[in-house]
Amino acid sequence: DGGITQSPKYLFRKEGQNVTLSCEQNLNHDAMYWYRQDPGQGLRLIYYSQIVNDFQKGDIAEGYSVSREKKESFPLTVTSAQKNPTAFYLCASKPGGPANYGYTFGSGTRLTVV
Amino acid sequence: GQQVMQIPQYQHVQEGEDFTTYCNSSTTLSNIQWYKQRPGGHPVFLIQLVKSGEVKKQKRLTFQFGEAKKNSSLHITATQTTDVGTYFCAGPDSSYKLIFGSGTRLLVRP
Repeated sequence: DGGITQSPKYLFRKEGQNVTLSCEQNLNHDAMYWYRQDPGQGLRLIYYSQIVNDFQKGDIAEGYSVSREKKESFPLTVTSAQKNPTAFYLCASKPGGPANYGYTFGSGTRLTVV
Repeated sequence: GQQVMQIPQYQHVQEGEDFTTYCNSSTTLSNIQWYKQRPGGHPVFLIQLVKSGEVKKQKRLTFQFGEAKKNSSLHITATQTTDVGTYFCAGPDSSYKLIFGSGTRLLVRP
C-alpha cells in the first residue's frame, strides 16, 4: 500500500544534540511538508518542498534544516539551535502543482528533550 | 499574513447530540479542506470544497463553503463516540501551501 512512513515514532534528544527525523513516501508525490504540532494546538509549517533539490522555509524554520535529494525522501534535522523542540512532528505530501489535492500525513514522530 | 480561524476550540456533547465547527479565513479561498485527527493520531483528509455555496455530505457529516468563499462549516448529526477527535479546516495561500486552522476538539460523552 502507498503511504508515508515516519521514523522513529518516539525520539529523545539531549540538550545540544542534533537529531534527524525520517520521512519517506511511495506515493510518487512531488510536494512534501513538515509540520510541528504542540499539545492542543494546530499545525505550524516548518519547511516545504515542491520539487526535488528545492525547498522553502515555512513559518517556523529557525533551528531546523531539511534536504530533498530524492523525490521519496524529505528528512528534517532538529538542530541544537531549536530551543524548544519538544513537540509532535508531522510529515505530509501531495501531488505537485496548483491543483487541489488533500494532504496525506505520516503517523508522526514525538520528540522529547531530556 | 493569511489567517484561518476556527471556533469553538472545544466542544463536549452527549452522544446523539449534533455538533458544528466554524472556520473563517482572512482572505478569499480557492478551496477549503477538512481533516480529522483522532487522539494520538495524525490528520486524515476528509473532504475538499471548491465552489461558492457548495454543500457536501458524508453520511452524518455535512460540509458547507460560504458564498463569499471565506468561511466554512462542518456539522455532525447525532454524534457517536467514534466522532471523537480534533477537526481542522485548511485553506491554500498564494503559494498553494495549506494554512491550517487551530482546530476544534470534539469530546463525546457516551
